[in-house]
Amino acid sequence: KAGVTQTPRYLIKTRGQQVTLSCSPISGHRSVSWYQQTPGQGLQFLFEYFSETQRNKGNFPGRFSGRQFSNSRSEMNVSTLELGDSALYLCASSSSGQPVYEQYFGPGTRLTVT
Amino acid sequence: GESVGLHLPTLSVQEGDNSIINCAYSNSASDYFIWYKQESGKGPQFIIDIRSNMDKRQGQRVTVLLNKTVKHLSLQIAATQPGDSAVYFCAENSGGYQKVTFGTGTKLQVIP
Repeated sequence: KAGVTQTPRYLIKTRGQQVTLSCSPISGHRSVSWYQQTPGQGLQFLFEYFSETQRNKGNFPGRFSGRQFSNSRSEMNVSTLELGDSALYLCASSSSGQPVYEQYFGPGTRLTVT
Repeated sequence: GESVGLHLPTLSVQEGDNSIINCAYSNSASDYFIWYKQESGKGPQFIIDIRSNMDKRQGQRVTVLLNKTVKHLSLQIAATQPGDSAVYFCAENSGGYQKVTFGTGTKLQVIP
């Protein structure tokens, strides 16, 4: 069974631009969560989607948004990029609709903002 | 605010010895705890979890202990191997579906 895939793996953007990251969950998984990982703040929860609906959201500004498609694939978008948005963005999928279940992480997208 | 933190940023262990990684949490409403392992260049990998109605859970070479009285969590790795070298995170959930709060991480270095 293929794992969670994220594209692209690496990305360099300029301040003020916007970016879209993609995540394909494990086949059959309906929950997709996004996390931001930085050396200073560690791993922080962004949001979680289940069956195309956002179920939970972390404490990030509105510049961070996401969506989920009917095939469970998910995208996250960051608008008006800031230097502080440079981070590893991780996607995790889960098979269960129950509150908190084993999550499988992808390798992440490394975003660098210059 | 609520937080999940780790006592030691780096832990060096001799190959074959047992490792103990500690974690403190502050949210008394946390009811589910998870340990993750993250190797360089990879996403976190689930190791073991424990619910708040338990105080111990064992897996293959790993044991998680939960002490709710002092809000402390630990991961024990038996017979540590070079492949165990990674950053270990504890994480907790307090009922918000997949909203998981991660600790800061402990780097485990295994000395051959």
